Amino acid sequence: DAMVIQNPRYQVTQFGKPVTLSCSQTLNHNVMYWYQQKSSQAPKLLFHYYDKDFNNEADTPDNFQSRRPNTSFCFLDIRSPGLGDAAMYLCATSGGLAGALIRQETQYFGPGTRLLVL
Amino acid sequence: KQEVTQIPAALSVPEGENLVLNCSFTDSAIYNLQWFRQDPGKGLTSLLLIQSSQREQTSGRLNASLDKSSGRSTLYIAASQPGDSATYLCAVNPMDTGRRALTFGSGTRLQVQP
Repeated sequence: DAMVIQNPRYQVTQFGKPVTLSCSQTLNHNVMYWYQQKSSQAPKLLFHYYDKDFNNEADTPDNFQSRRPNTSFCFLDIRSPGLGDAAMYLCATSGGLAGALIRQETQYFGPGTRLLVL
Repeated sequence: KQEVTQIPAALSVPEGENLVLNCSFTDSAIYNLQWFRQDPGKGLTSLLLIQSSQREQTSGRLNASLDKSSGRSTLYIAASQPGDSATYLCAVNPMDTGRRALTFGSGTRLQVQP
């Protein structure tokens, strides 16, 4: 009954080798988020999609990009991973109801993908 | 800029004890506040969501309160159990224009000793 699915759960990549993380959802939610969480730190938003509208956080490095080909799937691409990019990457969704109700919604998180950069 | 602080950073209690986790935020202009649980190496599980117009929410042994004017929330766990051991994160949904993201605290790592 998983609602937000992330694959793979663990990803090992080499320094500078592009890597893609995947997120899918069965909730038919309009909004999908990607967060980065480093050890013992708070999750930090990288970007989010409201439907097809992409919203990048001001301090998200250019090395991070995202794609959302349809409602169900969202990808996080790291073009040239550095050692500092090793972290847990969390995908979340929310319903995205029209108007002010958007901000009253619960966010649902996936299990995360732990990225290791060698 | 909204900042969220959680105190204490870590807490160890014997089984059966009632406990309170604290969360404070610097900007009271929020839509809601959410408490999450995170098990080691896992994603986040939503526990309770309190709207800005509400004072508290309850789910089983959990009770979360919100005092928006003072920028504080507490998560009360009654009769703690070893299975409650996890990191508890609070997050606020700020009223920044065009932004839907949550601002998280760094969490309180709870260990309940059997």
